[in-house]
Amino acid sequence: QVQLVQSGAEVKKPGASVKVSCKASGYTFINSAIHWVRQAPGQRLEWMAWINPAYGNTKYSQKFQGRLTITSDTSASTGYMELSSLTSEDTAVYYCAKDRGGPIDYWGQGTLVTVSS
Amino acid sequence: DIVMTQSPDSLAVSLGERATINCKSSRSVLYSSNNKNYLAWYQQKPGQTPKLLIYWASTRESGVPDRFSGSGSGTDFTLTISSLQAEDVAVYYCQHYDSTRAFGQGTKVEIK
Repeated sequence: QVQLVQSGAEVKKPGASVKVSCKASGYTFINSAIHWVRQAPGQRLEWMAWINPAYGNTKYSQKFQGRLTITSDTSASTGYMELSSLTSEDTAVYYCAKDRGGPIDYWGQGTLVTVSS
Repeated sequence: DIVMTQSPDSLAVSLGERATINCKSSRSVLYSSNNKNYLAWYQQKPGQTPKLLIYWASTRESGVPDRFSGSGSGTDFTLTISSLQAEDVAVYYCQHYDSTRAFGQGTKVEIK
């Protein structure tokens, strides 16, 4: 069965960076885009970016351009999300998810990132 | 980026009654190349990850009860729950899925 397993919770200080991993299994990794979506406490889902692991091409939300980097390692079937210059506004659960050429169909369990001094 | 706006932000419906959620996109998500609307609906229950309900604006995902239906085209879309059940209490999101993605702000559905 399809699984997306994310790395564990992180606590970071303002100004720091965080890197979250997402290991995929149960499907052919290069056949589906990996998306990153975040959700602040009690807030809406917020799409951040996607990557096509087959070619490494990416697309970012304008909101995160310049401080978000997403990558993938096809040999490890793993995607990565790195967000820099963290502020308290970045405190959220970060999800990876896969699509099937359109809608998102599977989600990781989420990684809580807390930014606090 | 396209902006998705849902209405209402929340609604309370009696068990067995109809619930209707609207979603408006800032530009058309209908692509003439294949005549498809790049619009999906998700359900998120407390403490859970979102679940895909509807894609291509009106195609129900496998296993989703037929009381859920999607309609609309271009910029205006609707998710309808024909007969609300207790297990349908959740937040519902619309999302467009072309080269970028965006979610609506969510609509919280509760029992009256």
